Amino acid sequence: EPEVTQTPSHQVTQMGQEVILRCVPISNHLYFYWYRQILGQKVEFLVSFYNNEISEKSEIFDDQFSVERPDGSNFTLKIRSTKLEDSAMYFCASIPTVEGTEAFFGQGTRLTVV
Amino acid sequence: SQQGEEDPQALSIQEGENATMNCSYKTSINNLQWYRQNSGRGLVHLILIRSNEREKHSGRLRVTLDTSKKSSSLLITASRAADTASYFCATAGLGNNRLAFGKGNQVVVIP
Repeated sequence: EPEVTQTPSHQVTQMGQEVILRCVPISNHLYFYWYRQILGQKVEFLVSFYNNEISEKSEIFDDQFSVERPDGSNFTLKIRSTKLEDSAMYFCASIPTVEGTEAFFGQGTRLTVV
Repeated sequence: SQQGEEDPQALSIQEGENATMNCSYKTSINNLQWYRQNSGRGLVHLILIRSNEREKHSGRLRVTLDTSKKSSSLLITASRAADTASYFCATAGLGNNRLAFGKGNQVVVIP
């Protein structure tokens, strides 16, 4: 069964460092998302991406964040200068169409900023 | 913005019993989805119910949706130890598929 894959599964980084979280969405899906979940809290929407551009972003997704689809398969989330409060589980998700279908989530990357 | 929110519950039940969780939201939706998350793992989609549907079944899962009350419930029948997890509802808005998640219900099924 096709699945969304994320790497790495766990990343520890120093405060102020840049991190890139990687995702390979399901190949025929068109819409891509990043969500995050701070430990013990809600899953929060960060950004959606369609047709090689951001279609929507939340107030969390400030100038420190960026997304890219550098080739036909990878979808990346970059945090330029990490803060302690960026520590969270980051989930990538993809869906095939916009018409009300389930989202397929990856296993997540646990980011720990020290 | 819309928001799925479960009644904050931690359920502890015996294997074989039924588990019921509730979710409420604030604005109009396209659909409502339930996800399961095992500790520290990813989100697994369980079931999707559209705004024009009132009830849906999938195996041991039964979901209801009451759009007049802006609420949904998830029933897991004949629970198993493997059902131990956190369960989240998430709503998708009109014209987009951005999901708004609730806080989650932790369910522990005791063998």
